[in-house]
Amino acid sequence: GAVVSQHPSWVICKSGTSVKIECRSLDFQATTMFWYRQFPKQSLMLMATSNEGSKATYEQGVEKDKFLINHASLTLSTLTVTSAHPEDSSFYICSATQDSSGNTIYFGEGSWLTVV
Amino acid sequence: GQNIDQPTEMTATEGAIVQINCTYQTSGFNGLFWYQQHAGEAPTFLSYNVLDGLEEKGRFSSFLSRSKGYSYLLLKELQMKDSASYLCAVRAAGNKLTFGGGTRVLVKP
Repeated sequence: GAVVSQHPSWVICKSGTSVKIECRSLDFQATTMFWYRQFPKQSLMLMATSNEGSKATYEQGVEKDKFLINHASLTLSTLTVTSAHPEDSSFYICSATQDSSGNTIYFGEGSWLTVV
Repeated sequence: GQNIDQPTEMTATEGAIVQINCTYQTSGFNGLFWYQQHAGEAPTFLSYNVLDGLEEKGRFSSFLSRSKGYSYLLLKELQMKDSASYLCAVRAAGNKLTFGGGTRVLVKP
């Protein structure tokens, strides 16, 4: 079946550096992908909607200059955490819908980011 | 705004039935999803309701009442592997999902 893949699964970076997380739809095209963040024992919080060929739409309170989203193709969206700080350490998950109805939503495996 | 409430934790015995309630108040409604999430892993899809009524899928069933802003997920014949968090999510416009806080279910022998 359709699969959404994220890379890397785990990443540790130094404070002040940037880290890029990729989200790929492996066997379908996704014009829209979503990026979520999840802190331990909390639920998923939507960060932004990634639109192929246009600017991402950010949720209130999410800094667009800190969390750069690029959706350059129909199968790839990237999230770059710039100037990372320890409080950015979290589980980042992307999702994509396979069809126009949006009823089939697949999540990536998630990426654990630890900023030291 | 969006407000989705579900209990924080539930404990049940192996073989039993557990019902996880979810109430929502959202600006717009275009379907309600239930996901299972094991610790450290991504959510996996369980069910989708957009019309009132009960959807049954094996040991899992989900119910929706749009007029009451209410849904529940029913887990039957509980197994130890069902210990996980269960997330209720409402879709408004544009395929955006808003998640509830999740319900951690602990299945005991």
